Amino acid sequence: DQQVKQNSPSLSVQEGRISILNCDYTNSMFDYFLWYKKYPAEGPTFLISISSIKDKNEDGRFTVFLNKSAKHLSLHIVPSQPGDSAVYFCAASVRSNTGKLIFGQGTTLQVKP
Amino acid sequence: EPEVTQTPSHQVTQMGQEVILRCVPISNHLYFYWYRQILGQKVEFLVSFYNNEISEKSEIFDDQFSVERPDGSNFTLKIRSTKLEDSAMYFCASSEREIMNTEAFFGQGTRLTVV
Repeated sequence: DQQVKQNSPSLSVQEGRISILNCDYTNSMFDYFLWYKKYPAEGPTFLISISSIKDKNEDGRFTVFLNKSAKHLSLHIVPSQPGDSAVYFCAASVRSNTGKLIFGQGTTLQVKP
Repeated sequence: EPEVTQTPSHQVTQMGQEVILRCVPISNHLYFYWYRQILGQKVEFLVSFYNNEISEKSEIFDDQFSVERPDGSNFTLKIRSTKLEDSAMYFCASSEREIMNTEAFFGQGTRLTVV
């Protein structure tokens, strides 16, 4: 089941630069998308979400972009900080279901000082 | 800040034994979930629970699994006869409303090791 894909297992950026994490999906029924951050030995922590009726949502240093025609979303972090180093998961949900989240495989972000 | 708490943080069990993983969701939340993450793999949905019944379950959630909300605060996942392949991190999550309108908050996880 590869409905949500994060094709880059890892990403390394310099502190202060922009981090761009990408996510693709195949199920056109998805209408709500979320990004979670996960540190080792902790549960996923919600970062930011976007509804399919929007194409951009911004919260501080984090911006999520949604391109429905391409079935693609991205998370931009600017400026990146060393504390942002973690695994980032993209997740998607379908309006009519019970809130089940389908996760991507995750991208490990390393922000170098 | 309210949080989802899970106990124990680590459970080691013999193959074939029963385990119960416990979760205390955020108090005003109405939707409850279990997910698991096998080492090196993606986080997978197991089951969702609302209004004291299962609302959806994945094909992973077979007859050896069950969930219960025995009182007003706890939400448990029982695995009746554990197998080696049940070894994983198990995450409980809760949300105030349906996911389309809000995010799910996750606990820190229980690492289950079946030997």
